[in-house]
Amino acid sequence: AQSVTQLDSHVSVSEGTPVLLRCNYSSSYSPSLFWYVQHPNKGLQLLLKYTSAATLVKGINGFEAEFKKSETSFHLTKPSAHMSDAAEYFCVVRGFNSGNTPLVFGKGTRLSVIA
Amino acid sequence: GAVVSQHPSWVICKSGTSVKIECRSLDFQATTMFWYRQFPKQSLMLMATSNEGSKATYEQGVEKDKFLINHASLTLSTLTVTSAHPEDSSFYICSARESQSSNQPQHFGDGTRLSIL
Repeated sequence: AQSVTQLDSHVSVSEGTPVLLRCNYSSSYSPSLFWYVQHPNKGLQLLLKYTSAATLVKGINGFEAEFKKSETSFHLTKPSAHMSDAAEYFCVVRGFNSGNTPLVFGKGTRLSVIA
Repeated sequence: GAVVSQHPSWVICKSGTSVKIECRSLDFQATTMFWYRQFPKQSLMLMATSNEGSKATYEQGVEKDKFLINHASLTLSTLTVTSAHPEDSSFYICSARESQSSNQPQHFGDGTRLSIL
């Protein structure tokens, strides 16, 4: 089965410093991987996705993620954190469920940005 | 871009009542829709997958008689929480995709916060 493990439940950074949110995946197949962001009491916004093209994926709001097959990782990074980046971040893999392939979510990492 | 609209965004009701949540794809036809549940400070758990015109496929541990899903048209799916109790209080999020093909993106609604008193 497809799954993702987010290694940190909470990450706190100072404004203007780099952000690193870690994610490892498990997949029997070449995976499709995603990062979503969720602000409080809001739905989900897609930040970026990897679908077996370039291993370095650039997303919105300055975020990017690198797919590393040897490490089974898909960590999310941003060079400089902004206050508005404070939110919950989910690493997601496309699963297989009787052919319907729903998205399977990690447990989430809460990002706090300190002024 | 593709928009998924969920209604209502927030509902409070008494224990024992049934609550219907609607999920609409506004500018595309959603062959497949997904319903997720999210407990406070936790991740999204897939409840069920529905394909238009077919019965929903429920995940293990999800009571199909408790959570009724109808996907009668290509733009609308509904989730009805029957005889709701306080433990059903949660954030419910729907997602829609244009086809069963995994190559199509999955678009999310803004969620419905359900509070059962």
